[in-house]
Amino acid sequence: DTGVSQDPRHKITKRGQNVTFRCDPISEHNRLYWYRQTLGQGPEFLTYFQNEAQLEKSRLLSDRFSAERPKGSFSTLEIQRTEQGDSAMYLCASSLVEPFYEQYFGPGTRLTVT
Amino acid sequence: AQSVAQPEDQVNVAEGNPLTVKCTYSVSGNPYLFWYVQYPNRGLQFLLKYITGDNLVKGSYGFEAEFNKSQTSFHLKKPSALVSDSALYFCAVRALIKAEGNKLTFGGGTRVLVKP
Repeated sequence: DTGVSQDPRHKITKRGQNVTFRCDPISEHNRLYWYRQTLGQGPEFLTYFQNEAQLEKSRLLSDRFSAERPKGSFSTLEIQRTEQGDSAMYLCASSLVEPFYEQYFGPGTRLTVT
Repeated sequence: AQSVAQPEDQVNVAEGNPLTVKCTYSVSGNPYLFWYVQYPNRGLQFLLKYITGDNLVKGSYGFEAEFNKSQTSFHLKKPSALVSDSALYFCAVRALIKAEGNKLTFGGGTRVLVKP
């Protein structure tokens, strides 16, 4: 089953360090989304791509965050100069283009900033 | 701006009894509505969606949901709950209008505990 995969599953880093996460979407899906989920909360939208174009960014996405999808396949999310408030589960999802198609989520990357 | 409310943090139900998880939404124009389930240390799994048409939507694992436009609600239901249904459930909405973008807006989640 080729679902959405994310790597790594867990990341522990010290405050001030940079981290990068990878997401591989379902192969035929053109759209790729990043969400952040903190404990006890629902996921919050960060950004999304259609193919390689980043079409929307949330105000939650500070200047320390950057996302890329260079060839329209996998995507990376980088956080520079991590802060303790960045500790969360980072979820990636993918979908087909039409808006009524559901998004399929990966298992997430849990980031802990110490 | 679109929003979702799940008024119950937790729902407790005995195995075999009906299960209902409540969701209300606010969105400009017509909504697309979704239910997802999350098991510990795992991503969200899609259960069902409402796009248009019949107000009663059937989904995976025996779940269904009823869209009520006048009450702006989309409650999740299961006629007979199983212990294995114990998990965290999220309702989500996406607006059809371009101004709201393509993001899903999620509720805060409802933890379901099914007791044997």
